[in-house]
Amino acid sequence: QLQLQESGSGLVKPSQTLSLTCAVSGGSISSGGYSWSWIRQPPGKGLEWIGYIYHSGSTYYNPSLKSRVTISVDRSKNQFSLKLSSVTAADTAVYYCASRSDYGDYVYAFDIWGQGTMVTVSS
Amino acid sequence: SSELTQDPAVSVALGQTVRITCQGDSLRSYYASWYQQKPGQAPVLVIYGKNNRPSGIPDRFSGSSSGNTASLTITGAQAEDEADYYCNSRDSSGNHCVVFGGGTKLTVL
Repeated sequence: QLQLQESGSGLVKPSQTLSLTCAVSGGSISSGGYSWSWIRQPPGKGLEWIGYIYHSGSTYYNPSLKSRVTISVDRSKNQFSLKLSSVTAADTAVYYCASRSDYGDYVYAFDIWGQGTMVTVSS
Repeated sequence: SSELTQDPAVSVALGQTVRITCQGDSLRSYYASWYQQKPGQAPVLVIYGKNNRPSGIPDRFSGSSSGNTASLTITGAQAEDEADYYCNSRDSSGNHCVVFGGGTKLTVL
């Protein structure tokens, strides 16, 4: 059973870069049929999709964050990462990593989630 | 980009049936997926595709869709079903993006 675990800095200063990693266990990040995603949730608010990366390396980002986001894969460590630059208080949120099995082009379902990690942007 | 709209809050009496809806243009082309989130926990996928339940999800959860509206139905709601529910789908703009609904707080009375 695939499992995901986020890690990274819980406190980031304004204007700096937020960096998080998601460790994948129970399977290979290089396996076809999965994409690897980041989703966030500001305190008391709903879910916001940040972006994802396919096993092929193709990336897709939320247009509202695209200029600041980079998602990458480290196959040697079986993990994927999120970098969000020029952060502000509005980026304070619980950040989740999630995987999406390939159910086809018409179904975008995130079936495995990490437990989430709180990131606070504050000086 | 497209949006998915959910009612902020819905309530149901214990043991009764409740329908939670999700509206958006993208649902005319793509299936909705549904997630249950309890306080302090990560979301859990409960319905995906036409009407598929991941392993371990009770069969009282079901999904349906018509036009631009997707629905999650809980038949015989239990106290443990009290949670926030979110829908999502692929964005209809054709750029492989994803959109989430704003969430529905379900209260079981």
